[in-house]
Amino acid sequence: GAGVSQSPSNKVTEKGKDVELRCDPISGHTALYWYRQRLGQGLEFLIYFQGNSAPDKSGLPSDRFSAERTGESVSTLTIQRTQQEDSAVYLCASSVDRGAEAFFGQGTRLTVV
Amino acid sequence: GESVGLHLPTLSVQEGDNSIINCAYSNSASDYFIWYKQESGKGPQFIIDIRSNMDKRQGQRVTVLLNKTVKHLSLQIAATQPGDSAVYFCAENRGAGSYQLTFGKGTKLSVIP
Repeated sequence: GAGVSQSPSNKVTEKGKDVELRCDPISGHTALYWYRQRLGQGLEFLIYFQGNSAPDKSGLPSDRFSAERTGESVSTLTIQRTQQEDSAVYLCASSVDRGAEAFFGQGTRLTVV
Repeated sequence: GESVGLHLPTLSVQEGDNSIINCAYSNSASDYFIWYKQESGKGPQFIIDIRSNMDKRQGQRVTVLLNKTVKHLSLQIAATQPGDSAVYFCAENRGAGSYQLTFGKGTKLSVIP
């Protein structure tokens, strides 16, 4: 596609359920980022993928959060046993390489009730 | 805590005036900086970037200035328009093997017609 695509755009889930968020990066982009943005706040780094290198997971807030990416394609962010504090917009971005501009998707708005 | 921060959380300017949004960073190893614009309900949109070997870069109606001596970054918007109303984030890439784009909390720009 022409841009970064994320799905679903909105997700409401019950506390304790698992959720899976999907990101389709721009074709050819080797770098992929996940960020979390709470209401009225800045972007909180979660995880970074670069090609086939080991991902930088240093931003994941707990072991309930995990992400996968196969090669340079789709990435999924999984949150297990969701908590109300997980409610936020989850943004995915991709770039040609590290040190290049990152293009963001529209985000997935997650609401845990 | 965050190494990238903003001096002014909100900024109101008259339409047609110039806007200046400031950002401070603390990591002297950062080698790449980006300004993003985020409109309500949308993902951040790239505005302009600058590398640490430059001190000024101009785009269409926007200029980014980098002062490495005092670790300060600014975004200047000329002839501000209502469509410029948004939250503006600066982001830094810390270089030297770091893959994170670290974002500040953002400045909300409101343009008064």
